[in-house]
Amino acid sequence: KAGVTQTPRYLIKTRGQQVTLSCSPISGHRSVSWYQQTPGQGLQFLFEYFSETQRNKGNFPGRFSGRQFSNSRSEMNVSTLELGDSALYLCASSSQGAMDGYTFGSGTRLTVV
Amino acid sequence: GDSVTQMEGPVTLSEEACLTINCTYTATGYPSLFWYVQYPGEGLQLLLKATKADDKGSNKGFEATYRKETTSFHLEKGSVQVSDSAVYFCALSDHYGGATNKLIFGTGTLLAVQP
Repeated sequence: KAGVTQTPRYLIKTRGQQVTLSCSPISGHRSVSWYQQTPGQGLQFLFEYFSETQRNKGNFPGRFSGRQFSNSRSEMNVSTLELGDSALYLCASSSQGAMDGYTFGSGTRLTVV
Repeated sequence: GDSVTQMEGPVTLSEEACLTINCTYTATGYPSLFWYVQYPGEGLQLLLKATKADDKGSNKGFEATYRKETTSFHLEKGSVQVSDSAVYFCALSDHYGGATNKLIFGTGTLLAVQP
């Protein structure tokens, strides 16, 4: 059974640019969540999608957005990148939501220069 | 709001020593509790979970009991191995309004096991 796949694994972007990260959940999983991990702030929730609907959103500025497609694949977008957006972005999937326990991908390491 | 507090690391142990990583939580509702583990360069893996008071989660020799009276979910293992070296995160997911379908994590505890 394939795990959660995130692409790309590494990204280097310039301040002011935008970036799109992709996540393919485990087959059959309809809940997809995104988390940002940094040494200073730890793991912080970005948003959660279920069957193409955003069910919950964390306290991030509007530059951070996401969406989920009918095949449950998800993308997140960050516009007008700032140096502080440098982080490991983790995608996680589950059958119904957080209560099931998530399976995480290996993450996308974003560096903003 | 909901929060998770876990003991500061790093925790350094010799192989076969006993492990306890403390975790306490604050929650408005009746949360589910989790331990996740992160190995270097990887994402998080679910280690164990408990969904109600007095439940015991267990996996790979690790155990944790949901203690509502002390709002705790301490992680224990009787005999650690070098391969257990990783960062361990305690987390909760609550059942009310804006807290549903998200995980709130503790800061993580680095465990280093020496041979």
